[in-house]
Parts: sequence; C-alpha cells; structure tokens
Amino acid sequence: NAGVTQTPKFRILKIGQSMTLQCAQDMNHNYMYWYRQDPGMGLKLIYYSVGAGITDKGEVPNGYNVSRSTTEDFPLRLELAAPSQTSVYFCASSLDGFSYGYTFGSGTRLTVV
Amino acid sequence: KNEVEQSPQNLTAQEGEFITINCSYSVGISALHWLQQHPGGGIVSLFMLSSGKKKHGRLIATINIQEKHSSLHITASHPRDSAVYICAVNPSNYQLIWGAGTKLIIKP
Repeated sequence: NAGVTQTPKFRILKIGQSMTLQCAQDMNHNYMYWYRQDPGMGLKLIYYSVGAGITDKGEVPNGYNVSRSTTEDFPLRLELAAPSQTSVYFCASSLDGFSYGYTFGSGTRLTVV
Repeated sequence: KNEVEQSPQNLTAQEGEFITINCSYSVGISALHWLQQHPGGGIVSLFMLSSGKKKHGRLIATINIQEKHSSLHITASHPRDSAVYICAVNPSNYQLIWGAGTKLIIKP
C-alpha cells in the first residue's frame, strides 16, 4: 500500500500565482484532511472531507479551496498565492475519523515569494 | 487556556532514560492520539486510545478518561527517539484538536 501520497514535495510560487496540491490515498478511507504547519507551530486544519462529494471548512480555510470527487483524491487549490501561505502542507486520511488512527502524507513545502 | 495541554514543552535526556510526556485535555473526547513528527517533518501515528493502555515496542501510552489525562512513556530511550511528540484529541465532530507538541532530544 502506498498510503497517502502528496505531490509535489516542494514548490516555489510567485505572489498571485495559483497551484493545486495533490493528495491521494489507496486505503479506501472516508475521511481526508488538509493541514498547514507554520515554522515552529502546530498543525492547523484547512479543510476536511467525510466522503466523496462532501467537504467542510476547518480553522484556516481562507485562500484555499478543495474538492472531493472520488474517495481516493482530495486536492487543495491555492488561488492568488500570498506570502502568508508559505508553510508545510500535510494531507491525512482516516477510515472513520473516530475509531482508527490517521495516516499522513509526507508533506508539501510551499514557499511564496 | 488551550483545550489540549502538553508538558513538558521541551525535554532533553540521556540515552537509556525513561521518558514521560503528559497530555491533559478539557473537552469530551471519543479518542486520543499520540503522533510523532521527526526532524525531517514526516508525521506518524503512534497510538489511538479511548481507554486503558497500549504498548508498542518501547512505547507505552495510557489514558485516564475520568481525569482527562494521558501519558506517553518511552523505555530505554535512544537518540533515534528524538522527535516532536504530539497529543491530539477527537471531540465528537470528526476533527482533531492538537496539542502544541513536546520536543524530545535524547543525547548519546
């Protein structure tokens, strides 16, 4: 099993550019999450999804969008990148959000200049 | 006051020492998670607890639901255990509330 696969691992964006961070899982997990981690800080939830076609905002959703057209994929879209979005982004998944542990992707390190 | 408090924030110990990291929370939960984040950044789920105690190798996690407290213990610590250990809890809305993490350094 590949688990949770995130691409790209690193990216540099210019202010105002857009990009999509990809996240795919092959464990048939219903729940998927996007977190950001700023230097020296804990993880903050951006968006989450409890199943295909269902998404909801976390604590820091501004400047981001998500979609969940399939169980496997949960891409995160950054529109009009800003320096404040410089961070490490983690995608995670869980079977039901309650009874099972979480599996994390390896992270995407994004710098906006 | 944060809903999930970890202590200590930083811990430096010698190889072989017994390590304890504590986590207290103030909300009702369905589960508590311990995770490990290595210096390279990757995050690994260590334990998920809803009651009692779990053991995996040299790691032991306990939870006391009545006292809203959990501990993570590492026996015979080794420099490769150096990492940030994070406590997170599941309230009832499918999300995790994260502690700030405990940075552990084990010196040879």
